[in-house]
Amino acid sequence: AQTVTQSQPEMSVQEAETVTLSCTYDTSESDYYLFWYKQPPSRQMILVIRQEAYKQQNATENRFSVNFQKAAKSFSLKISDSQLGDAAMYFCAYREKGNTPLVFGKGTRLSVIA
Amino acid sequence: DTGVSQNPRHKITKRGQNVTFRCDPISEHNRLYWYRQTLGQGPEFLTYFQNEAQLEKSRLLSDRFSAERPKGSFSTLEIQRTEQGDSAMYLCASSPLGAAPDHNEQFFGPGTRLTVL
Repeated sequence: AQTVTQSQPEMSVQEAETVTLSCTYDTSESDYYLFWYKQPPSRQMILVIRQEAYKQQNATENRFSVNFQKAAKSFSLKISDSQLGDAAMYFCAYREKGNTPLVFGKGTRLSVIA
Repeated sequence: DTGVSQNPRHKITKRGQNVTFRCDPISEHNRLYWYRQTLGQGPEFLTYFQNEAQLEKSRLLSDRFSAERPKGSFSTLEIQRTEQGDSAMYLCASSPLGAAPDHNEQFFGPGTRLTVL
């Protein structure tokens, strides 16, 4: 079974600085999708960024970018120019091809210090 | 609002009672997923539907749990004879069906927080 591991239960970053959240996963598949979801306190989960495993280029969405290392099965999220609104739980998730269910990590709670 | 909606948002019940939650997906989304999220954990998959067909059930979904999507639109999740261990956030998500990359995103609802006393 696929597993997703987030080894940092909590992280903090100063406003305007950069922070990297770690994620590793285990799978025997060669084609799959990886996601980072953000869950603000008492609010619903939203997609931050997605990566398709067959694409070598790392995905980027404005201040958010990933470092996808397929051989190492690593998928880290970098948040640049951190803002107070970035404070939330961040979940790394994996999914096989075909709209199958997501497998989530346990999450990293990010605090942003003004 | 065209997002995924869930009702009720909060439910407090006594052990042994039955509860039912409802999820309304985004219109025309074929796939609907139920997840459970306990405190300090990531969401865990329970079951999912493609239209009205229930395609997969997790081993987490005991016999006390049943889910339906009778007309391929909204879905209900019922828990019978609730136990304190059922206390969790129950999340619903929906996605379109297709091979295009943007069809891989699951859109989540706000969840139903269940507390079993």
